[in-house]
Formats: sequence, structure tokens, C-alpha cells
Amino acid sequence: DIQMTQSPPSLSASLGDKVTITCQASQNINKYIAWYQQKPGKAPRQLIRYTSTLVSGTPSRFSGSGSGRDYSFSISNVESEDIASYYCLQYDNLNTFGAGTKLELK
Amino acid sequence: QVQLKESGPGLVQPSETLSLTCTVSGFSLTSYSVSWVRQPSGKGPEWMGRMWYDGDTAYNSALKSRLSISRDTSKNQVFLKMNSLQTDDTGTYYCTRDRAGPDYWGQGVMVTVSS
Repeated sequence: DIQMTQSPPSLSASLGDKVTITCQASQNINKYIAWYQQKPGKAPRQLIRYTSTLVSGTPSRFSGSGSGRDYSFSISNVESEDIASYYCLQYDNLNTFGAGTKLELK
Repeated sequence: QVQLKESGPGLVQPSETLSLTCTVSGFSLTSYSVSWVRQPSGKGPEWMGRMWYDGDTAYNSALKSRLSISRDTSKNQVFLKMNSLQTDDTGTYYCTRDRAGPDYWGQGVMVTVSS
């Protein structure tokens, strides 16, 4: 099974900051990674698929990059509505979620 | 529009079997795969298993011995059965449509394992 190591577990940011979350897979996942946002009491929402493709409706301040085993997800100009938990997911071989990153306001 | 809705009991006794139903609309089960994902309160999601569009199944190796996923295409339903439930199986259970990872999610159903 492919393991996904996501860091950091939590992030504290001010409005307007840029934040970055990373995920490392236990093997090459061929860019088959998606990123999700989850707010309390809601189902996760897919923001990015295939490393860097924004899902319809995802604001352009969200971005993704990476290859091989190493991937990152960034939010530029953090807004209050971005306060949430974020998860990576590999879908190269079945599915594995990262443990998550909780984004809080400083 | 694409919709998924989970249904099933909210409370299950330890050692009993959990049975959940996912009813979908807005897409065909023979064109898209459907997965089950669960999430303990305060923790991250865990992918449980998938009903492929062609009727095949795939399971998380950690749950494979306890889990079964099936479907009824005439009713647009996918079913989950998991046996030998324990308290750490408590959480919210979602069904999802799969396209480059889950793209549409149901609202989830909270399942509590308790006597």
C-alpha cells in the first residue's frame, strides 16, 4: 500500500500570507495526487487534481506542484474563508489520504 | 446534478455488522466508480474500498477481511457491509464518486459503535 506523509499537521497564518503544505508518497505516484479542503461538519471538497489542475470553482490563489514522490500545495494571500483542514490524496494505486493539515488564523 | 446519499443505522453494537446504502443520481454506476470513505471524529479520512464501474471491487488492505462492497445498478445503489465492528469503527461514513480521486461526496452518515 502507498503511504502519504503530510506536513505540517497544523499551520498558523495571517490574512494575506502564503502557506505551503507538503505530501511525500512512499513511492512514485506519477502526479496522481489531489488536494481537498474540509470545513467542520462538511464533507471534503476537491480543490486540485493531477498535481496542479484546479477543479472548477477553485480560486486561483490555490496551486499545486510536484512530481515523483514529492508534492506541495500552496495558498497565496490567505483569506478567512480558507481556514479549514487540508488533505492530500494519492490515486495512482487505489487511494490513500494524508493525515491532514489544520490551517488556523494567527 | 450529481448526488450521493448514504443511509443506514446510526448505532451498531460491538461485534455486529454494519450495513450502509449509497443511493446515487445524476450519473451511471456503469460509467463511474464509487468509493466508501470513513472519518473518525477529529481525524483524517480513510479510503475503505471501491465498486469499479465494471463491477469489480477493491479494498483497503487493512479492512479487506471485514469489508464487502456490492451494487444494484437497477436501483442506482452501492452497498457496504463490514463485520466485527469495534468502537474504533465509530465515525462518519461517506460514499463518493470517483474521478481523479473522489470528486463528489455524499453528506455522510454518522455511525456509532456502542453497547
